[in-house]
Amino acid sequence: GESVGLHLPTLSVQEGDNSIINCAYSNSASDYFIWYKQESGKGPQFIIDIRSNMDKRQGQRVTVLLNKTVKHLSLQIAATQPGDSAVYFCAENAGGTSYGKLTFGQGTILTVHP
Amino acid sequence: DTGVSQDPRHKITKRGQNVTFRCDPISEHNRLYWYRQTLGQGPEFLTYFQNEAQLEKSRLLSDRFSAERPKGSFSTLEIQRTEQGDSAMYLCANGGGGDYGYTFGSGTRLTVV
Repeated sequence: GESVGLHLPTLSVQEGDNSIINCAYSNSASDYFIWYKQESGKGPQFIIDIRSNMDKRQGQRVTVLLNKTVKHLSLQIAATQPGDSAVYFCAENAGGTSYGKLTFGQGTILTVHP
Repeated sequence: DTGVSQDPRHKITKRGQNVTFRCDPISEHNRLYWYRQTLGQGPEFLTYFQNEAQLEKSRLLSDRFSAERPKGSFSTLEIQRTEQGDSAMYLCANGGGGDYGYTFGSGTRLTVV
């Protein structure tokens, strides 16, 4: 079936560095993508989203890039802080009849060292 | 405060017992979703409601699972005759009709022993 996956399961960075987390998706019908952050014992927390008619969207310290040609999504975190340490998931939605139903990737563990 | 409250936070049950989880969205959105998450994996869609109507169910939702949203606000998820493979985090999320980036609760962690 269609799936969303991640290239790197773990990422370690120093505080203050920029972080890039990557995600590959396989469903060409996906038209909406979300990045979530999940801390231990908590539910996924919305970070940023992007629709398929865009290739870049910026938030506070975060940027999401979408490359539909190669079905690739990335999350950039600027000036990474220890509080950014968590598991990051990308998720896709194919719209249509699956409106609102998200397919999640496996997740990347981000560790930020002081 | 995520805006979605789930109860209980943790549940340990013996195999074969029935369990019920509750989800209370603080603000009433017309869509409510249940997901299941196992260790090291992303959440997997189980089912969703638009108001009181259950509109879609995943193949993961066997006959032992039932979900309700009787008044279009809170929702319950019941698992009958629990199995060890049911051990997981059960997440609830809600969002409005045009709000894809919907809000998750903190989940109920179920352990079947």
